[in-house]
Amino acid sequence: DGGITQSPKYLFRKEGQNVTLSCEQNLNHDAMYWYRQDPGQGLRLIYYSQIVNDFQKGDIAEGYSVSREKKESFPLTVTSAQKNPTAFYLCASSFRTPDTHEQYFGPGTRLTVT
Amino acid sequence: GESVGLHLPTLSVQEGDNSIINCAYSNSASDYFIWYKQESGKGPQFIIDIRSNMDKRQGQRVTVLLNKTVKHLSLQIAATQPGDSAVYFCAEFSTRRALTFGSGTRLQVQP
Repeated sequence: DGGITQSPKYLFRKEGQNVTLSCEQNLNHDAMYWYRQDPGQGLRLIYYSQIVNDFQKGDIAEGYSVSREKKESFPLTVTSAQKNPTAFYLCASSFRTPDTHEQYFGPGTRLTVT
Repeated sequence: GESVGLHLPTLSVQEGDNSIINCAYSNSASDYFIWYKQESGKGPQFIIDIRSNMDKRQGQRVTVLLNKTVKHLSLQIAATQPGDSAVYFCAEFSTRRALTFGSGTRLQVQP
C-alpha cells in the first residue's frame, strides 16, 4: 500500500527535551511538508522541502528543524526552543507538477510536552 | 499578505439537506484552490480542487464554485449525510509553492 506514515501516533516529552517526529512516504513524491495544528485551528506551515537536501521555512519555523537526506523521509525535530510545542503535527507530500498541488496527509502525531 | 479565511466556524444542517461552506481569500495571484475534509484526530483528506481559470467544478456530491471577482470560494455538498460531519478547510496555492490553509468550518449533520 502506498501512503504516508507518521510515528508515533502519541508522544509525550518533558519540557526542555528535543524530540524528533518521523514522516515516511512511499508515493514517490518530490515535495514534503510539516504542519502544526492547534485545537480548533487550521494548519500552519512549519517547513517544506521541494527536493532532497533542500528545504524552506514556513510561517512558524522558529524552534523547529528538519532534514531531507532521502526522498522518502522528512523528519521534524521539535527543539527545546519551541515555546509551545504541544500540538498535533501533520506531515504531507505531493508531486511537483503544474497541474495539481494536492497534498497527501499522514495520520498525524499528537505531541504533549509537560 | 496572503490569508485564507472562512465566514462561519460552525455549520449545522439536517441530514439530506444541501450544505454550503464558504471561504474568502485575499491573494488575487493564487491560481489553485483545494478543499480538504478532516475528521477528528485524523489527517485531512482531499475533496476537490479548482484552478483559477475555472468557475465551477463538480465531483461526487460536491461542487466547488470560484468567484475571482470577490475572491470567494464555496463548497457545496448535496444530500448531506452523517458521514459528512467533519471540519472542512479551504487552501490556496501560493507563490512560495506551498498551500496556505484557512481556519476551517465544522459541519454538523443532524439526523
